[in-house]
Amino acid sequence: EVQLVESGGGLVQPGGSLRLSCAASGFTLSNFWMAWVRQAPGKGLEWVANIKPDGSERNYLDSVKGRFTMSRDNAKNSLYLQMNGLRAEDTAVYYCVRHFYYGSGSYYYMDVWGKGTSVTVSS
Amino acid sequence: QSVLTQPPSVSGAPGQRVTISCTGSSSNIGATYDVHWYQQLPGTAPKLLIYANTIRPSGVPDRFSGSKSGTSASLAITGLQAEDEADYYCQSFDNSLTAWVFGGGTKLTVL
Repeated sequence: EVQLVESGGGLVQPGGSLRLSCAASGFTLSNFWMAWVRQAPGKGLEWVANIKPDGSERNYLDSVKGRFTMSRDNAKNSLYLQMNGLRAEDTAVYYCVRHFYYGSGSYYYMDVWGKGTSVTVSS
Repeated sequence: QSVLTQPPSVSGAPGQRVTISCTGSSSNIGATYDVHWYQQLPGTAPKLLIYANTIRPSGVPDRFSGSKSGTSASLAITGLQAEDEADYYCQSFDNSLTAWVFGGGTKLTVL
């Protein structure tokens, strides 16, 4: 069964750091782009970052550039999101997502989602 | 303010047909980027419902269909069922933001 399981969420003070992890199973992680998508309480979905299969290319939402770093370890079937300089507006459920690439250019869709891990930034 | 605009809510009686619109601009849907749709049942993670404008993943009932024209896209649900009550999101790519963008979501209520 194709599965993504996130962990590492919690309560952190403004300015603090947190590292989210995502364990992938049921498919060959090294063949796929992966992404993080977040959802603030009662709000809609927001793409945060994605990463190429070999880790050589990453893209970020403008508001997290310079603060968040997405990485992967294909040998461990794992994805990570290092979040530094956290702000109240980063409070959300963070979903690990398989970002399926199907055409030249920016043709991707999000075909597998984890259950999410909750991040709360508050003093 | 989302880059893609959806109605906040729609409703319909069981068995009826409803449509959810998704309006973008020349930097996303109008720039020929495909539109994808996701269903989020209460308290759960989103699930892919339609990809590349019109294609249903395996297991998605044919009651769900998608279309795209110009700078807009639509999701149609026929034969409404109580289990369809959920939030629905459209998604595309925006080349001026260089970001994958979502609509604000539409809450479907089955009366």
